[in-house]
Amino acid sequence: DIVMTQSPDSLTVSLGERATINCKSSQRVLSRSNNKNYLAWYQQKPGQPPKLLIYWASTREFGVPDRFSGSGSGTDFTLTISSLQAEDVAVYYCQQYYSTPPLTFGGGTKVEIK
Amino acid sequence: QVQLQQWGAGLLKPSETLSLTCVVSGGSFSGYFWTWIRQSPGMGLEWIGEINQSGSPNYNPSLKSRVTMSVDTSTNQLSLKLNSVTAADTAIYYCSRGTIGARLADWGQGTLVTVSS
Repeated sequence: DIVMTQSPDSLTVSLGERATINCKSSQRVLSRSNNKNYLAWYQQKPGQPPKLLIYWASTREFGVPDRFSGSGSGTDFTLTISSLQAEDVAVYYCQQYYSTPPLTFGGGTKVEIK
Repeated sequence: QVQLQQWGAGLLKPSETLSLTCVVSGGSFSGYFWTWIRQSPGMGLEWIGEINQSGSPNYNPSLKSRVTMSVDTSTNQLSLKLNSVTAADTAIYYCSRGTIGARLADWGQGTLVTVSS
């Protein structure tokens, strides 16, 4: 199984400031055949299902604000919220879909307002 | 706007079979990956399995011996059965639809399943 490790576990950021979440996979999730990273990011607010933010490591899902961006390749990835808003308070998960079964998730990063 | 609506029994006794159904409305059923995910209270996300675009199931090896997933394209329904449940299976269960890239793009509302004697 590919193990996904997120850091930090929690993050406290002031409104309008940048938030950065890291995700590391135990194996490469970059496909040499199509040069795509099989890595997604999700946002989960209390009492709600996760919401897809980013797929293919850097492609923003339709309707997701452009303050959310994904970067990285191979085994190291980053989700950046360029200017944190109050509605961004949530838990964020990375997920690989390169090697299944099983598809695996990171442990989550809780983002709060300072 | 596609909606995934799920339902099933919320309280089970140990050794019983968990049975959940998910139906899609407002969108296509065929040609997508259909996935079940669960989340234990206060915990992270666990992939249970998926049925791919060809209709073939893939299960999490940790649950494979107890899981059955199926689709009924005539009624646009996806179903999950997990037999011989224990307290460790207590979780919120979600169904999800996606493509090969956006694998978990659309989600059901979640069903809390509690296993208790």
